Amino acid sequence: TQLLEQSPQFLSIQEGENLTVYCNSSSVFSSLQWYRQEPGEGPVLLVTVVTGGEVKKLKRLTFQFGDARKDSSLHITAAQPGDTGLYLCAGEGRGGSNYKLTFGKGTLLTVNP
Amino acid sequence: DSGVTQTPKHLITATGQRVTLRCSPRSGDLSVYWYQQSLDQGLQFLIQYYNGEERAKGNILERFSAQQFPDLHSELNLSSLELGDSALYFCASSVGGGGTEQFFGPGTRLTVL
Repeated sequence: TQLLEQSPQFLSIQEGENLTVYCNSSSVFSSLQWYRQEPGEGPVLLVTVVTGGEVKKLKRLTFQFGDARKDSSLHITAAQPGDTGLYLCAGEGRGGSNYKLTFGKGTLLTVNP
Repeated sequence: DSGVTQTPKHLITATGQRVTLRCSPRSGDLSVYWYQQSLDQGLQFLIQYYNGEERAKGNILERFSAQQFPDLHSELNLSSLELGDSALYFCASSVGGGGTEQFFGPGTRLTVL
């Protein structure tokens, strides 16, 4: 069974601060996706990283996939209240010919004005 | 708005009952995925259908079943409900059978009393 551990579980910061959240596994994934989920809504895909060592930037968000494709990090620069939400990482694995996304439990981020 | 619709938005029922959750995928998407989200377990993959056929199975209980109809909408049937089945149930859709971006619906919140 492939498991993804996310840390920290909860994070509360002030507007303007920087932060990093982590997604770790003992398994290798074909790719890793990051989602943000706001209360009462479904997760929304932010980015997919595929290659070991890959770095992708989305405005103030920087995503990195570990060299061994077992872990990933999300760094937010100058956080804003609009960044508040549950950040989920999901690893793509394959069981035979089947495709499956395994989600971590998420990091609940609160950015206070 | 992801383009995925789910009904109902809220459902309150009693233990032992049976309910049906409905999902309409985005136009053109052939795959439908069902997930269960609870505070302690996070987002758990239940089952995937691709163009009417079951493609992958996750942590779906035997009391639960799903199907995808010719018009590609899907239904998740939950029977002999228990208190522990209370959760958010999300449907997601994607164009292909795997390895492509999943778009999540707004979810159905099920409360079993």
